[in-house]
Amino acid sequence: NAGVTQTPKFQVLKTGQSMTLQCAQDMNHEYMSWYRQDPGMGLRLIHYSVGAGITDQGEVPNGYNVSRSTTEDFPLRLLSAAPSQTSVYFCASSYSRWQGNQPQHFGDGTRLSIL
Amino acid sequence: GESVGLHLPTLSVQEGDNSIINCAYSNSASDYFIWYKQESGKGPQFIIDIRSNMDKRQGQRVTVLLNKTVKHLSLQIAATQPGDSAVYFCAENIAGANNLFFGTGTRLTVIP
Repeated sequence: NAGVTQTPKFQVLKTGQSMTLQCAQDMNHEYMSWYRQDPGMGLRLIHYSVGAGITDQGEVPNGYNVSRSTTEDFPLRLLSAAPSQTSVYFCASSYSRWQGNQPQHFGDGTRLSIL
Repeated sequence: GESVGLHLPTLSVQEGDNSIINCAYSNSASDYFIWYKQESGKGPQFIIDIRSNMDKRQGQRVTVLLNKTVKHLSLQIAATQPGDSAVYFCAENIAGANNLFFGTGTRLTVIP
């Protein structure tokens, strides 16, 4: 198993550009999520999905869209990039929809800079 | 957001000593806790977890202690090695919320 794979690893964008961060998992996990990590702050949840066709907002969803057309893939779209979205983005997954008894498995992140 | 926090942002220990990393939480409805290790340039890596019906859980060289009375969680690493140098996060699930809330992390530095 490759686990959770994120692409690209690094990206630089100009303000106003759009892009999609890719996330794929090969563990047949139901739950997938996107976090952003900023200096001095804990991981903050952007969006999550408890299964194909189901998505929901997390703590900081503004400026981001997600979709879950398959169990394996959970792309994150930045609609119009802003400097405040400069961050490291992590995708994670877990086997069950329920988060009360199992850890999430993380990818190695996408480092995104918005100029 | 949930106030999952850490008492100390940095911790330095001598190689071979034991390390203790602390975490405080404020929601009494939290029912599941996880410790993660994050090395530079990598994603968080699962270390150990504990449910709220337990006080202690042991893994390989690691022990997690949960004190629900004072809402405190700790990670103990025995015989700390240079490879243990990393940032350590605690995370909690609040019953009914079905999402993890993360603390800001403690940077552990092991001195050879």
